[in-house]
Amino acid sequence: GEDVEQSLFLSVREGDSSVINCTYTDSSSTYLYWYKQEPGAGLQLLTYIFSNMDMKQDQRLTVLLNKKDKHLSLRIADTQTGDSAIYFCAVPSPSGTYKYIFGTGTRLKVLA
Amino acid sequence: ETGVTQSPTHLIKTRGQQVTLRCSSQSGHNTVSWYQQALGQGPQFIFQYYREEENGRGNFPPRFSGLQFPNYSSELNVNALELDDSALYLCASSLGTNTDTQYFGPGTRLTVL
Repeated sequence: GEDVEQSLFLSVREGDSSVINCTYTDSSSTYLYWYKQEPGAGLQLLTYIFSNMDMKQDQRLTVLLNKKDKHLSLRIADTQTGDSAIYFCAVPSPSGTYKYIFGTGTRLKVLA
Repeated sequence: ETGVTQSPTHLIKTRGQQVTLRCSSQSGHNTVSWYQQALGQGPQFIFQYYREEENGRGNFPPRFSGLQFPNYSSELNVNALELDDSALYLCASSLGTNTDTQYFGPGTRLTVL
């Protein structure tokens, strides 16, 4: 089946690094995504990684992909209070219906 | 470049009524996908439209239907509303293939009483 799992909550202190994890059962061989959702808002594309890469760095964001273990992580360096939000990983379905499978989201709380 | 827009922002309906939600895709995008996000959950795929044809459907009943217009804007229609239809409805547009990144709009919050 198609399933994506994330831990529900993460709390960090301002200036620390945050690591948000995601595991999935299967995906198509394309990109895997991280989206950010602030209260009452839509989804903002944060970053993505192609499935043949192990790591991608984009300013404060680092994405790691372990394709063998089907594990994706997002590291936010120097976490700020403005990073407080819900973070979703999104995995394109392998079933060919061009849909994304989302995790339940990780709520990141940054303490000042 | 204009991003994805959705209307209305909020909507309140009663059980049994019908609702139409609207989405304008990002400039240059010809594919629109609709997702339902219940409170505390991740978005669930409803269906996708590519060049005015349905291009894939999730596990939603037929009372969820859609349209895509020649300008690639789209509508989501829900008939016979149920209480469980209360959710944030998100529209996403993309360039058109299954490898293309989906860009999301701000969503429409539907409350069914």
